[in-house]
Amino acid sequence: GESVGLHLPTLSVQEGDNSIINCAYSNSASDYFIWYKQESGKGPQFIIDIRSNMDKRQGQRVTVLLNKTVKHLSLQIAATQPGDSAVYFCAENISGRRGGSYIPTFGRGTSLIVHP
Amino acid sequence: DGGITQSPKYLFRKEGQNVTLSCEQNLNHDAMYWYRQDPGQGLRLIYYSQIVNDFQKGDIAEGYSVSREKKESFPLTVTSAQKNPTAFYLCASSTTERGVRTEAFFGQGTRLTVV
Repeated sequence: GESVGLHLPTLSVQEGDNSIINCAYSNSASDYFIWYKQESGKGPQFIIDIRSNMDKRQGQRVTVLLNKTVKHLSLQIAATQPGDSAVYFCAENISGRRGGSYIPTFGRGTSLIVHP
Repeated sequence: DGGITQSPKYLFRKEGQNVTLSCEQNLNHDAMYWYRQDPGQGLRLIYYSQIVNDFQKGDIAEGYSVSREKKESFPLTVTSAQKNPTAFYLCASSTTERGVRTEAFFGQGTRLTVV
């Protein structure tokens, strides 16, 4: 079936490096994507979102790129810090049965480990 | 403070027992969700509700039940029919408006262990 997946389960970087986390999606009807950060033992938290009418969106130290041609998302974290160590999920937001709201559909996640 | 609260944080269940996980939100969100997370896995959708008194099965609903009698509350019951219930359970809520940021707000989770 159609699903959201991630290329790498674990990414290790040195403090100060830039990190790139990738995500593939297969539902061509998806028009809204969100990246979440999950720290150990906690619920995921919003990082940044992007709609399908955009190719790029920037936040504070984070950038999300969307390539609709190959159904690929990436999250770039600049100057990675130890506090960035967490699991990162991309979520594909699919219309619910009522069509009124999105149902977040999550991929497997990438564990980012930042070494001091 | 607005937010979403799950309780208890840790829960132990004996084989054959039903247990109910609580989820309450004061964000005035119409939509609420339950996800299950196993080690090294993503979040899998159990049930969701987009409006009071209505809910839909997600990808792994077997062995679970929910109710949505109030907008603020979406309790999940893990029944004895769920053969492998040990997992981390996450509740979330979101607005149903389109065209705005519609991220899911998550609770802190309930870790359920079968003993």
